[in-house]
Amino acid sequence: GQNIDQPTEMTATEGAIVQINCTYQTSGFNGLFWYQQHAGEAPTFLSYNVLDGLEEKGRFSSFLSRSKGYSYLLLKELQMKDSASYLCAVMDSNYQLIWGAGTKLIIKP
Amino acid sequence: GAVVSQHPSRVICKSGTSVKIECRSLDFQATTMFWYRQFPKQSLMLMATSNEGSKATYEQGVEKDKFLINHASLTLSTLTVTSAHPEDSSFYICSARDSDAGELFFGEGSRLTVL
Repeated sequence: GQNIDQPTEMTATEGAIVQINCTYQTSGFNGLFWYQQHAGEAPTFLSYNVLDGLEEKGRFSSFLSRSKGYSYLLLKELQMKDSASYLCAVMDSNYQLIWGAGTKLIIKP
Repeated sequence: GAVVSQHPSRVICKSGTSVKIECRSLDFQATTMFWYRQFPKQSLMLMATSNEGSKATYEQGVEKDKFLINHASLTLSTLTVTSAHPEDSSFYICSARDSDAGELFFGEGSRLTVL
């Protein structure tokens, strides 16, 4: 079957760095997405990786290893507003998005 | 866990025809469902909020006469793309809010290709 695994919840301190991991097993691969979602709101796009390596975008970076079925989202200089759920999603060979359950990130002062 | 099912997952149609996409919450009731559209490498774009038993609320710029939404029961919402054109080709995703728990769950998405 197809599945996406990511931790349920993580806690970090304001100003620190946190890495949210995502492992996947899917039928084919057409890219991996990371989304941020605040409670009650629609998810917002953070990153898209289709090739191996690190994509950096400001305080957020995303890494992909296709051979390992692994990705991580790295958040630097954490701010209180970064408290949210972070969703990992993989597009399979049929262009279906397979969603992880999301990682709830709690930022403490 | 809670599951939201979309059907069909992939559909190809001719220009000018209409296509219906279903979104079902399989083990919970959802008074509110959301329809999104996603272009490659771009963010999900909320198209409309579907409320059971009432008219959908459309986001600015979304043609309500073109994208018909029906939320006739607590477990089913449908999106009908009427008179489809090639520019309507996209990935459509629904999500459903659990009426009791308040959590939001996403469907697998439906890829529409209009020839």
